[in-house]
Amino acid sequence: DVVMTQSPLSLPVTLGQPASISCRSSQSLVYSDGNTYLNWFHQRPGQSPRRLIYKVSNRDSGVPDRFSGSGSGTDFTLKISRVEAEDVGVYYCLQATHWPPSFGGGTKVEI
Amino acid sequence: QVQLVQSGGEVKRPGASVKVSCKASGYTFTSHGISWVRQAPGQGPELMGWISTFNDYTNYAQKFQGRLTLTTNTSTNTVYMELRSLRSDDTAVYYCARDTDGRNPWGQGTLVTVSS
Repeated sequence: DVVMTQSPLSLPVTLGQPASISCRSSQSLVYSDGNTYLNWFHQRPGQSPRRLIYKVSNRDSGVPDRFSGSGSGTDFTLKISRVEAEDVGVYYCLQATHWPPSFGGGTKVEI
Repeated sequence: QVQLVQSGGEVKRPGASVKVSCKASGYTFTSHGISWVRQAPGQGPELMGWISTFNDYTNYAQKFQGRLTLTTNTSTNTVYMELRSLRSDDTAVYYCARDTDGRNPWGQGTLVTVSS
């Protein structure tokens, strides 16, 4: 199975400042169709995960443009340009290129 | 709007089985398969398996092979997840979601507690 490794585990942030989360995969996430199925999720306590980014850099509907995703191959990054209070919670990456899809261990973002 | 509504929480004894439902609405049921993802307390999510709502094809993570069965009822737009031979480490919140890439929205989650 593909192992997804996130860093850091915990990320103290300052409101209005940028934040960045890294995700690395144990093998390339480029699929045979040329797409890279790497997604990012945000989860608040007691809530279901919500997808923010799909296929590396595409924002889901309703996701603020302060969130951006980048990367290729095995190295990926989620960036928040200016952290807001509602951004606290745990962020997960997910690879859906290889079966079974696998999540990273999570990064807890706290003010 | 798209909704996935799951059945309520369950408490089970070790060795028992649990069956959780996920009722879809707001889109064409057969156009998206359904994945089941579980999240143990304080842990990250883990994908268990996926079922095509078009032809009932299933794909299970090896970890759950032999204990997990996914089924559909197209007349009620509902997908079912049955997990057998429950152990204490199966205690988790179980989610359904469309496809295998976690597209929004997910179900609200169903807490399954396994305890003697």
